[in-house]
Amino acid sequence: DVKVTQSSRYLVKRTGEKVFLECVQDMDHENMFWYRQDPGLGLRLIYFSYDVKMKEKGDIPEGYSVSREKKERFSLILESASTNQTSMYLCASTGGPGELFFGEGSRLTVL
Amino acid sequence: DAKTTQPPSMDCAEGRAANLPCNHSTISGNEYVYWYRQIHSQGPQYIIHGLKNNETNEMASLIITEDRKSSTLILPHATLRDTAVYYCIVRVAWGLTGGGNKLTFGTGTQLKVEL
Repeated sequence: DVKVTQSSRYLVKRTGEKVFLECVQDMDHENMFWYRQDPGLGLRLIYFSYDVKMKEKGDIPEGYSVSREKKERFSLILESASTNQTSMYLCASTGGPGELFFGEGSRLTVL
Repeated sequence: DAKTTQPPSMDCAEGRAANLPCNHSTISGNEYVYWYRQIHSQGPQYIIHGLKNNETNEMASLIITEDRKSSTLILPHATLRDTAVYYCIVRVAWGLTGGGNKLTFGTGTQLKVEL
């Protein structure tokens, strides 16, 4: 089975801290994605990557950056966390058409 | 990617068919219709996708109208475990260069299956 693993299910950070959210997939997929999910807003795409070291902005990239140094790993970085970045963060990957595989999510609380 | 419109919520009795509609009136000829669902506290799960023909798999059936401006996801015998948010998405086929392979989700339909 394809597995997308997110490093932490729950995190609590303070305003201004640097936050790293890690995602690893084990199926050699080219495409990886970071979404955030908030009540009433659905899933919104932050960034995605279609190859190592390649990245593109999604719909809400402000306040975030990403890193894709290895094919299996896609990191989301909050350089200076703010309270409005409290959210559920979902990583996904796919190697082709149709099925996007999601991780279980990381719930981040910024105090 | 074409915008989709779904009802915010629907109810269904257990054992009955759940028919979830989706409008995508601005869909282009090369855009597929995808359906995902998200059970509470889990990541979204792929269900089915199609271009213009009806599709069926072990989870559901997808009926796309002839003009492709709307579609219906059918869960033939809904169970309590089908209670979830269902997302309808339209997008071009994969394999495009660069950033063509993104999938944009809306707010979906909350399906509640009851006894």
